[in-house]
Amino acid sequence: QSALTQPASVSGSPGQSITISCTGSSSDVGSYNRVSWYQQHPGKAPDVIIYEVTKRPSGVSDRFSGSKSGNTASLTISGLQAEDEAEYYCCSYAGGSSPWVFGGGTKLTVL
Amino acid sequence: QVQLVESGGGLVKPGGSLRLSCAASGFTFSDYYMSWIRKAPGQGLEWVSYSDSRGKTIYYSDSVKGRFTISRDNAKGLLSLQMNSLRAEDTAVYYCAKLAYSYIDYWGQGILVTVSS
Repeated sequence: QSALTQPASVSGSPGQSITISCTGSSSDVGSYNRVSWYQQHPGKAPDVIIYEVTKRPSGVSDRFSGSKSGNTASLTISGLQAEDEAEYYCCSYAGGSSPWVFGGGTKLTVL
Repeated sequence: QVQLVESGGGLVKPGGSLRLSCAASGFTFSDYYMSWIRKAPGQGLEWVSYSDSRGKTIYYSDSVKGRFTISRDNAKGLLSLQMNSLRAEDTAVYYCAKLAYSYIDYWGQGILVTVSS
């Protein structure tokens, strides 16, 4: 199962909005609404920020939002804050013998 | 509250074996799918293995198939990963993770496995 494709890095200034894309195929992102996004700060375990494409767990800021179009899912962070600087990973259900696949990760830098 | 505590990591020589354990608490362990996920240095997250709630349906990534074995003891709330024939490319932080049907809702703190001579 191939990893989902994410940009290696994105950056933005405080207060701005950024979007991270996650491109898969008709076998994963395109077929299932089981796309999730995780935020990982250095040395820490990841935390879920979006699940089932658009849903936010309790306690996650509404500055984080998710969407999907065809084989590409997206994570948008609005009103960037310094604390948003982290690595972001998408993940999709893919069925078959290796049912889950991650993206390669995107390093967000808040300038 | 949900807690997942990994143990058993460390330094091992290529070709060697290691057994990771994850002690789960704060939820009904036997009701949930569980997984092992790893992050190699400078790399992204990789799904290593997962087990359904009864340990009957199990999946492995192609990179570990035939070398790693996942198991669980529902009575003790324990998830394990037996890792054999270890290679340098297995060096990573290994995370125990709880699945909430469509996503991972809890992660352990992670444990480092280093494969080096």
